[in-house]
Amino acid sequence: ILNVEQSPQSLHVQEGDSTNFTCSFPSSNFYALHWYRWETAKSPEALFVMTLNGDEKKKGRISATLNTKEGYSYLYIKGSQPEDSATYLCAFANSGNTPLVFGKGTRLSVIA
Amino acid sequence: KAGVTQTPRYLIKTRGQQVTLSCSPISGHRSVSWYQQTPGQGLQFLFEYFSETQRNKGNFPGRFSGRQFSNSRSEMNVSTLELGDSALYLCASSFIGVAGSSEAFFGQGTRLTVV
Repeated sequence: ILNVEQSPQSLHVQEGDSTNFTCSFPSSNFYALHWYRWETAKSPEALFVMTLNGDEKKKGRISATLNTKEGYSYLYIKGSQPEDSATYLCAFANSGNTPLVFGKGTRLSVIA
Repeated sequence: KAGVTQTPRYLIKTRGQQVTLSCSPISGHRSVSWYQQTPGQGLQFLFEYFSETQRNKGNFPGRFSGRQFSNSRSEMNVSTLELGDSALYLCASSFIGVAGSSEAFFGQGTRLTVV
Protein backbone atom coordinates (compact mmCIF):
# COMPACT_ATOMS: atom_id res chain seq x y z
CA ILE A 1 0.00 0.00 0.00
CA LEU A 2 1.49 3.34 -1.04
CA ASN A 3 1.80 5.93 1.71
CA VAL A 4 1.77 9.66 1.05
CA GLU A 5 2.45 11.84 4.08
CA GLN A 6 1.92 15.56 4.37
CA SER A 7 3.22 17.82 7.10
CA PRO A 8 2.28 19.77 9.00
CA GLN A 9 -1.35 18.73 9.35
CA SER A 10 -2.37 22.36 9.92
CA LEU A 11 -0.71 25.72 9.96
CA HIS A 12 -1.67 29.22 11.08
CA VAL A 13 0.34 32.13 9.70
CA GLN A 14 0.04 35.89 9.70
CA GLU A 15 -0.74 37.75 6.52
CA GLY A 16 2.52 38.53 4.74
CA ASP A 17 4.41 35.55 6.15
CA SER A 18 5.96 33.04 3.81
CA THR A 19 5.38 29.38 4.50
CA ASN A 20 6.04 25.93 3.15
CA PHE A 21 4.69 22.40 3.50
CA THR A 22 6.07 18.97 2.76
CA CYS A 23 4.76 15.98 0.86
CA SER A 24 6.62 12.67 1.28
CA PHE A 25 6.08 9.72 -1.06
CA PRO A 26 7.79 6.44 -1.95
CA SER A 27 11.06 7.14 -3.76
CA SER A 28 10.84 4.06 -5.96
CA ASN A 29 8.78 3.87 -9.16
CA PHE A 30 7.91 7.54 -9.40
CA TYR A 31 5.58 8.68 -12.17
CA ALA A 32 3.92 11.96 -11.17
CA LEU A 33 3.25 14.22 -8.20
CA HIS A 34 0.23 16.52 -8.13
CA TRP A 35 -0.57 19.48 -5.85
CA TYR A 36 -4.16 20.66 -5.35
CA ARG A 37 -5.69 23.54 -3.42
CA TRP A 38 -9.06 22.90 -1.81
CA GLU A 39 -10.95 25.89 -0.50
CA THR A 40 -13.93 25.41 1.77
CA ALA A 41 -17.18 24.80 -0.13
CA LYS A 42 -15.34 24.56 -3.44
CA SER A 43 -13.78 21.82 -5.56
CA PRO A 44 -10.12 20.84 -5.30
CA GLU A 45 -8.21 22.74 -7.96
CA ALA A 46 -4.95 21.65 -9.54
CA LEU A 47 -1.90 23.78 -8.80
CA PHE A 48 0.92 21.74 -10.28
CA VAL A 49 1.61 18.41 -11.92
CA MET A 50 5.27 17.47 -11.65
CA THR A 51 6.96 14.59 -13.39
CA LEU A 52 10.72 15.21 -13.45
CA ASN A 53 13.25 15.06 -10.63
CA GLY A 54 14.42 18.58 -9.84
CA ASP A 55 11.29 20.11 -11.33
CA GLU A 56 10.39 23.54 -10.02
CA LYS A 57 7.02 25.07 -10.87
CA LYS A 58 5.61 28.48 -10.05
CA LYS A 59 2.19 30.08 -10.21
CA GLY A 60 2.11 33.61 -8.84
CA ARG A 61 3.24 33.52 -5.21
CA ILE A 62 3.08 29.73 -5.02
CA SER A 63 5.89 27.45 -6.11
CA ALA A 64 6.80 23.80 -5.74
CA THR A 65 9.92 21.69 -5.94
CA LEU A 66 10.32 17.97 -6.49
CA ASN A 67 12.96 15.46 -5.37
CA THR A 68 12.04 12.03 -6.65
CA LYS A 69 15.25 10.35 -5.48
CA GLU A 70 14.55 11.12 -1.82
CA GLY A 71 10.77 11.11 -2.17
CA TYR A 72 9.61 14.59 -1.23
CA SER A 73 8.07 17.74 -2.65
CA TYR A 74 7.84 21.16 -1.06
CA LEU A 75 5.11 23.72 -1.67
CA TYR A 76 6.04 27.33 -0.91
CA ILE A 77 3.73 30.31 -0.51
CA LYS A 78 5.42 33.71 -0.49
CA GLY A 79 3.70 36.58 1.33
CA SER A 80 0.60 34.63 2.41
CA GLN A 81 -2.76 36.31 1.93
CA PRO A 82 -6.10 35.45 3.59
CA GLU A 83 -7.33 34.10 0.23
CA ASP A 84 -4.57 31.47 0.42
CA SER A 85 -6.44 29.85 3.31
CA ALA A 86 -7.28 26.35 2.10
CA THR A 87 -6.30 22.71 2.40
CA TYR A 88 -3.36 21.81 0.18
CA LEU A 89 -3.31 18.23 -1.06
CA CYS A 90 -0.54 16.33 -2.74
CA ALA A 91 -1.11 13.14 -4.71
CA PHE A 92 1.35 10.57 -6.00
CA ALA A 93 1.25 8.14 -8.91
CA ASN A 94 3.78 5.36 -9.39
CA SER A 95 2.72 4.59 -12.94
CA GLY A 96 0.54 5.95 -15.67
CA ASN A 97 -2.01 3.19 -15.15
CA THR A 98 -2.59 3.36 -11.42
CA PRO A 99 -4.73 5.87 -9.56
CA LEU A 100 -3.46 8.86 -7.63
CA VAL A 101 -2.81 8.30 -3.93
CA PHE A 102 -3.62 11.40 -1.90
CA GLY A 103 -2.12 12.65 1.33
CA LYS A 104 -4.41 13.90 4.07
CA GLY A 105 -3.53 17.50 3.31
CA THR A 106 -2.15 20.54 5.09
CA ARG A 107 -4.78 23.00 6.26
CA LEU A 108 -3.49 26.56 6.01
CA SER A 109 -5.14 29.48 7.79
CA VAL A 110 -3.85 32.96 7.02
CA ILE A 111 -4.78 35.51 9.64
CA ALA A 112 -5.22 39.11 8.51
CA LYS B 1 -16.17 25.46 -20.58
CA ALA B 2 -18.49 23.84 -18.08
CA GLY B 3 -16.83 22.15 -15.13
CA VAL B 4 -17.46 18.76 -13.56
CA THR B 5 -21.02 18.51 -12.30
CA GLN B 6 -22.09 16.21 -9.51
CA THR B 7 -25.67 15.58 -8.48
CA PRO B 8 -27.19 15.66 -6.02
CA ARG B 9 -25.12 17.93 -3.78
CA TYR B 10 -26.63 16.64 -0.58
CA LEU B 11 -28.37 13.41 0.27
CA ILE B 12 -29.76 11.83 3.42
CA LYS B 13 -30.46 8.10 3.38
CA THR B 14 -31.39 5.46 5.91
CA ARG B 15 -29.24 2.44 6.75
CA GLY B 16 -29.96 -0.44 4.42
CA GLN B 17 -31.09 1.75 1.52
CA GLN B 18 -29.17 2.19 -1.69
CA VAL B 19 -28.05 5.39 -3.38
CA THR B 20 -26.92 6.48 -6.83
CA LEU B 21 -24.67 9.47 -7.38
CA SER B 22 -24.04 11.08 -10.75
CA CYS B 23 -21.04 12.80 -12.28
CA SER B 24 -20.89 14.64 -15.60
CA PRO B 25 -17.28 15.24 -16.65
CA ILE B 26 -15.86 18.10 -18.64
CA SER B 27 -16.73 17.74 -22.31
CA GLY B 28 -14.09 15.66 -24.06
CA HIS B 29 -12.78 14.01 -20.91
CA ARG B 30 -12.97 10.24 -21.06
CA SER B 31 -11.70 9.39 -17.59
CA VAL B 32 -13.82 9.69 -14.47
CA SER B 33 -12.54 8.75 -11.03
CA TRP B 34 -14.47 8.59 -7.77
CA TYR B 35 -13.13 9.35 -4.29
CA GLN B 36 -14.50 9.15 -0.78
CA GLN B 37 -13.52 11.58 1.93
CA THR B 38 -14.34 11.01 5.58
CA PRO B 39 -13.23 13.18 8.51
CA GLY B 40 -9.54 12.74 9.26
CA GLN B 41 -8.91 10.77 6.11
CA GLY B 42 -7.45 11.78 2.81
CA LEU B 43 -9.26 11.18 -0.43
CA GLN B 44 -9.73 7.43 -0.75
CA PHE B 45 -9.85 6.11 -4.30
CA LEU B 46 -12.96 4.14 -5.21
CA PHE B 47 -12.68 3.45 -8.94
CA GLU B 48 -11.80 4.91 -12.31
CA TYR B 49 -13.69 4.54 -15.56
CA PHE B 50 -12.23 5.21 -18.97
CA SER B 51 -14.25 4.90 -22.15
CA GLU B 52 -16.98 2.94 -20.34
CA THR B 53 -14.54 0.41 -18.84
CA GLN B 54 -13.49 0.18 -15.23
CA ARG B 55 -9.75 0.69 -15.37
CA ASN B 56 -8.87 0.71 -11.68
CA LYS B 57 -10.62 -0.21 -8.47
CA GLY B 58 -9.82 0.78 -4.91
CA ASN B 59 -10.08 -1.26 -1.76
CA PHE B 60 -13.80 -0.91 -1.08
CA PRO B 61 -16.42 -3.61 -0.56
CA GLY B 62 -18.58 -4.86 -3.41
CA ARG B 63 -21.46 -2.70 -2.17
CA PHE B 64 -19.73 0.13 -4.02
CA SER B 65 -20.11 -0.06 -7.78
CA GLY B 66 -20.07 2.26 -10.70
CA ARG B 67 -20.49 2.56 -14.41
CA GLN B 68 -19.79 4.96 -17.22
CA PHE B 69 -22.00 5.74 -20.18
CA SER B 70 -21.05 6.39 -23.78
CA ASN B 71 -21.22 10.16 -23.18
CA SER B 72 -18.64 9.71 -20.36
CA ARG B 73 -21.15 10.50 -17.62
CA SER B 74 -20.61 8.22 -14.66
CA GLU B 75 -22.76 6.93 -11.86
CA MET B 76 -21.73 5.46 -8.55
CA ASN B 77 -24.01 3.17 -6.59
CA VAL B 78 -23.80 2.14 -2.96
CA SER B 79 -26.11 -0.63 -1.83
CA THR B 80 -27.12 -1.62 1.70
CA LEU B 81 -25.91 1.66 3.15
CA GLU B 82 -24.06 1.66 6.46
CA LEU B 83 -23.51 4.55 8.86
CA GLY B 84 -19.82 4.53 7.93
CA ASP B 85 -20.68 5.34 4.33
CA SER B 86 -21.48 8.89 5.41
CA ALA B 87 -18.90 10.94 3.55
CA LEU B 88 -18.20 13.45 0.83
CA TYR B 89 -17.99 11.70 -2.54
CA LEU B 90 -15.95 13.50 -5.16
CA CYS B 91 -15.56 12.71 -8.80
CA ALA B 92 -12.72 13.91 -10.97
CA SER B 93 -12.38 13.92 -14.72
CA SER B 94 -9.39 14.16 -16.98
CA PHE B 95 -8.63 13.64 -20.63
CA ILE B 96 -6.42 10.60 -20.35
CA GLY B 97 -6.59 9.59 -16.71
CA VAL B 98 -5.78 11.19 -13.39
CA ALA B 99 -2.79 8.99 -12.69
CA GLY B 100 -0.53 10.50 -15.24
CA SER B 101 0.68 13.92 -16.16
CA SER B 102 -2.88 15.07 -16.83
CA GLU B 103 -4.38 17.16 -14.05
CA ALA B 104 -7.68 16.16 -12.55
CA PHE B 105 -10.73 18.42 -12.53
CA PHE B 106 -12.97 17.85 -9.54
CA GLY B 107 -16.66 18.34 -8.99
CA GLN B 108 -17.99 19.93 -5.81
CA GLY B 109 -18.97 16.58 -4.42
CA THR B 110 -22.04 14.89 -3.04
CA ARG B 111 -22.40 14.97 0.74
CA LEU B 112 -24.06 11.69 1.77
CA THR B 113 -25.41 11.28 5.27
CA VAL B 114 -26.62 7.87 6.38
CA VAL B 115 -28.90 7.84 9.41
